Amino acid sequence: EAQVTQNPRYLITVTGKKLTVTCSQNMNHEYMSWYRQDPGLGLRQIYYSMNVEVTDKGDVPEGYKVSRKEKRNFPLILESPSPNQTSLYFCASSLSVSADTQYFGPGTRLTVL
Amino acid sequence: AQSVAQPEDQVNVAEGNPLTVKCTYSVSGNPYLFWYVQYPNRGLQFLLKYITGDNLVKGSYGFEAEFNKSQTSFHLKKPSALVSDSALYFCAVRDGDTDKLIFGTGTRLQVFP
Repeated sequence: EAQVTQNPRYLITVTGKKLTVTCSQNMNHEYMSWYRQDPGLGLRQIYYSMNVEVTDKGDVPEGYKVSRKEKRNFPLILESPSPNQTSLYFCASSLSVSADTQYFGPGTRLTVL
Repeated sequence: AQSVAQPEDQVNVAEGNPLTVKCTYSVSGNPYLFWYVQYPNRGLQFLLKYITGDNLVKGSYGFEAEFNKSQTSFHLKKPSALVSDSALYFCAVRDGDTDKLIFGTGTRLQVFP
């Protein structure tokens, strides 16, 4: 089944404790992206990647890192999480940056205490 | 800069009645417009898109959307609402300069039995 998977789905952590949210897609998509969803703000893009070893900042990249060592994986790293990073995070992929449809993972709900 | 607005935070409709979820956009050049739906505890799912051609676009689950260039709108519609349509709906527009998707803030649709 074609899908985007994220892990973990739920995470509660404390300020300053490094964490990684994994994202993997099995559709051989070139383009991958991370969004955060906050009430009243919709989805905002954090980082994106147009292909392996190519990553770029989205609209709200501060406090986040990403890497794209393999085509299928696009982990999101929070080196020193803060409470303002409490949010719902989505990974998405598409065939290319200009492809019509993005496929979204199920989301990761992160709480930083 | 490209932008999209969803003026209603919530839309309530009785089952069997027609529904409309509003979206207006601002783009330079030709608009590429999308609707996505988010069911509880799930990622976003693609519903439909307008790229060019017929102003009335048909999508998944019986939804359709009407592109109106003069009013810069792309409202989502369904002739007869179902309780199972209750979800969060996002309108999105592709930024012509970066090809990134820009999402609206979302509209929660509540269909009552």
